[in-house]
Amino acid sequence: QVQLQESGPGLVKPSQTLSLTCTVSGGSISSGGYYWSWIRQHPGKGLEWIGYIYYSGSTYYNPSLKSRVTISVDTSKNQFSLKLSSVTAADTAVYYCARFFTGGGSCFDYWGQGTLVTVSS
Amino acid sequence: DIQMTQSPSSLSASVGDRVTITCQASQDISNYLNWYQQKPGKAPKLLIYDASNLETGVPSRFSGSGSGTDFTFTISSLQPEDIATYYCQQYDNLPSYTFGQGTKLEIK
Repeated sequence: QVQLQESGPGLVKPSQTLSLTCTVSGGSISSGGYYWSWIRQHPGKGLEWIGYIYYSGSTYYNPSLKSRVTISVDTSKNQFSLKLSSVTAADTAVYYCARFFTGGGSCFDYWGQGTLVTVSS
Repeated sequence: DIQMTQSPSSLSASVGDRVTITCQASQDISNYLNWYQQKPGKAPKLLIYDASNLETGVPSRFSGSGSGTDFTFTISSLQPEDIATYYCQQYDNLPSYTFGQGTKLEIK
């Protein structure tokens, strides 16, 4: 059973960089056919896709966040990470990592439990 | 970018009722549409993939239909445990994908 677990600070100061890591267990991040994704949800709001990385290192970001987002992968640790720079209160949200299966029936099939990140001084 | 318009944004229904949620794409997305259920404090869970295919282990009272630009998600007989927010998600224009705004379902 694949499991994803987010980790990182729950409180970040304005203008600083938010950094989160997603640890994958029960499956290899180096397996082809998956986009390893970050999605966030503002309090009481809907889901916003941030971006994803393929095991090879190829990335794609939501154009609305592209200038501030970096997603990287460490296959040796079976982890991928999110960095969001120059954060403001508008970046306060629950951040989820998720696996997007790209085969027939493409979908987000596994999710982390989510981690709340608050941007505040 | 493909926009997904989901309606209604909230819905109140009684146990046993048939519930329908719609999702409209701004352009033809074939059947590249999924439906997720999100309960409070939890991550979303896949219910329907490719517009009409029931994910393994999901109760048969959930169903989906549609293709092109118009899609429907149905709960045939609402159960108390179905209280959640439901999202559609398109993946026609990978590498980008978008979610609908969500429908919050409550018990009347």
